[in-house]
Amino acid sequence: DIQMTQSPSFLSASVGDRVTINCKASQNINKYLNWYQQKLGEAPKRLIYNTNNLQTGIPSRFSGSGSGTDYTLTISSLQPEDFATYFCLQHNSFPTFGGGTKLELK
Amino acid sequence: QVQLKESGPGLVQPSQTLSLTCTVSGFSLTSNSVHWVRQPPGKGLEWVGAIWSGGSTDYNSALKSRLSISRDTSKSQVFLKMNSLQTEDTAIYFCTHYGGYSEGWFAYWGQGTLVTVSS
Repeated sequence: DIQMTQSPSFLSASVGDRVTINCKASQNINKYLNWYQQKLGEAPKRLIYNTNNLQTGIPSRFSGSGSGTDYTLTISSLQPEDFATYFCLQHNSFPTFGGGTKLELK
Repeated sequence: QVQLKESGPGLVQPSQTLSLTCTVSGFSLTSNSVHWVRQPPGKGLEWVGAIWSGGSTDYNSALKSRLSISRDTSKSQVFLKMNSLQTEDTAIYFCTHYGGYSEGWFAYWGQGTLVTVSS
């Protein structure tokens, strides 16, 4: 199984900040990497698919990059509604998720 | 549009069997696969298993011995059965789907159903 190591686990930031969240795979996942946002009591919402493709309806302040084993989600200017938990998902083989990043208001 | 909805008992006793149903609409089970993902309270997401469009199944290796996924295509329903439940199986269980090249992996999710394993 491919292991996904996500960092940081917790992130404290302010409205307007630029933040980055990272996922590292235990082997090459060929850009088959999605990013999700999850708010309390809700299902995950897909933000980015296949590394850098923005899901329809998701604001352009969200972007993704990476290749090989290393991937990044960037939020260019945090908005109040962005404080949530974020997960990565690799689907190069049987799906596995990163451990999550809880983004909190500083 | 694509919709998925989980249903099942909220409480299961230890050592008993869990049975969940995922009812889908907006796509055909013979064209897309349905996956189960679970999330223990306050923790991360874990892929449980899948039933593919052709009817074959794959399971998380850690759960494989206790797990069975099946479907009724006429009712657009997918079923999850997990036996020998323990307290660590307490989680929100989601169903989601792989929508092929156009929609990709896990774009749509059900709202989830909380399963508590307790006596």
